[in-house]
Amino acid sequence: EVQLVESGGGLVKPGGSLKLSCAASGFTFTTYSMNWVRQAPGQGLEWVSTISSSGSYIYYADSVKGRFTISRDNAENALYLQMNSLRAEDTAIYYCARGYNWNYGPEDNWGQGTLVTVSS
Amino acid sequence: DIQLTQSPSSLSASVGDRVTITCRASQSISSYLNWYQHIPGKAPKFLIYATSRLQSGVPSRFSGSGSDTEFTLTISGLQPEDFATYYCQQSFTIPLTFGGGTKVEIE
Repeated sequence: EVQLVESGGGLVKPGGSLKLSCAASGFTFTTYSMNWVRQAPGQGLEWVSTISSSGSYIYYADSVKGRFTISRDNAENALYLQMNSLRAEDTAIYYCARGYNWNYGPEDNWGQGTLVTVSS
Repeated sequence: DIQLTQSPSSLSASVGDRVTITCRASQSISSYLNWYQHIPGKAPKFLIYATSRLQSGVPSRFSGSGSDTEFTLTISGLQPEDFATYYCQQSFTIPLTFGGGTKVEIE
């Protein structure tokens, strides 16, 4: 069974940093791209970033480009999102999601999410 | 960026009803259109990819159709567990984008 467990969310002040982690199990991690998708309070889903299976291809939404960094550790079956220069509008539930194939595309399995709150 | 417009934004229906949700893209996305179901507090669930291909384990009452810029998700025979918000998503190009969602409520 595919399992994705996010951690690292919390309360942070504007301008601060936070690093999210996603522990993956139940599948061959090195075969799939991985994604972060977020949902702000009362809003819909917003794609944040994708990293290909090998880590060679990385994509970001314009709203986070230059502030967020996605990475993966294929030896540890882990996905990360380093978030810097956080803004109030980054407040959201952040979901880790497995890609359907090795590069960008639909997300076929999702974690339960971790809440990030940016507030003074 | 490719914009996806879902309609309606919400609807009320009864168990057993047939429900249709529309998703329109701002430009052609071929068949790169996917559908998700989201119940608050739970992980989003992947339903349909490439317009009409049902993800493994998804009940056959869910179906998708369309091409280019207009797509539909149909639920034939609504069940109690289907009351949720449904999102379309295009995976034709980066940035991946989602529609605004359609909330299906109990009438």
